[in-house]
Amino acid sequence: RKEVEQDPGPFNVPEGATVAFNCTYSNSASQSFFWYRQDCRKEPKLLMSVYSSGNEDGRFTAQLNRASQYISLLIRDSKLSDSATYLCVVNPLTTSGTYKYIFGTGTRLKVLA
Amino acid sequence: EPEVTQTPSHQVTQMGQEVILRCVPISNHLYFYWYRQILGQKVEFLVSFYNNEISEKSEIFDDQFSVERPDGSNFTLKIRSTKLEDSAMYFCASSEAQGPYEQYFGPGTRLTVT
Repeated sequence: RKEVEQDPGPFNVPEGATVAFNCTYSNSASQSFFWYRQDCRKEPKLLMSVYSSGNEDGRFTAQLNRASQYISLLIRDSKLSDSATYLCVVNPLTTSGTYKYIFGTGTRLKVLA
Repeated sequence: EPEVTQTPSHQVTQMGQEVILRCVPISNHLYFYWYRQILGQKVEFLVSFYNNEISEKSEIFDDQFSVERPDGSNFTLKIRSTKLEDSAMYFCASSEAQGPYEQYFGPGTRLTVT
């Protein structure tokens, strides 16, 4: 099983639609979780951290299910500017007592006019 | 808003040459990282660095790679003898603290090895 698994997409949705992305992870020792956004040939940019209680930031809602080792991102009222690749990131504690990011391959979203 | 900066934005080098990629992390951050992304593939962790020491490194980070913090602001990645397969985007990142904290990424250096 891959450490972090995402559906690569692409997801093509009309403006105004609601779209959801899922991510599963294999390391149950993972401590923290994030969604990053990456535009073509640019750096990953932090979209939001994901908390056990779920969290919302404007049109974006993230959920974490530790029992199922599953993370989700919901985007409501999609805008053209939301078109990007969404990266699921897991931050497990390593055997050396440090942390490192493990990225999924990303899910491509294209919002259509 | 403070940001991570990287230079150069694009580096072209011949196989076997040494390259140094430079990063200036966010000023009050204490933990520094290098990642790489081969075109069309996922972002991969290379190394983390704290208090002038490597904290963690991946299998990719072999003897041809090294990192250094030569002064109070710069953080560098050196590749001693580049190979064709080192062609990738290299991202530097920094975080305020160790642990489950957000990392902030620089714009990357595109390395092309010919």
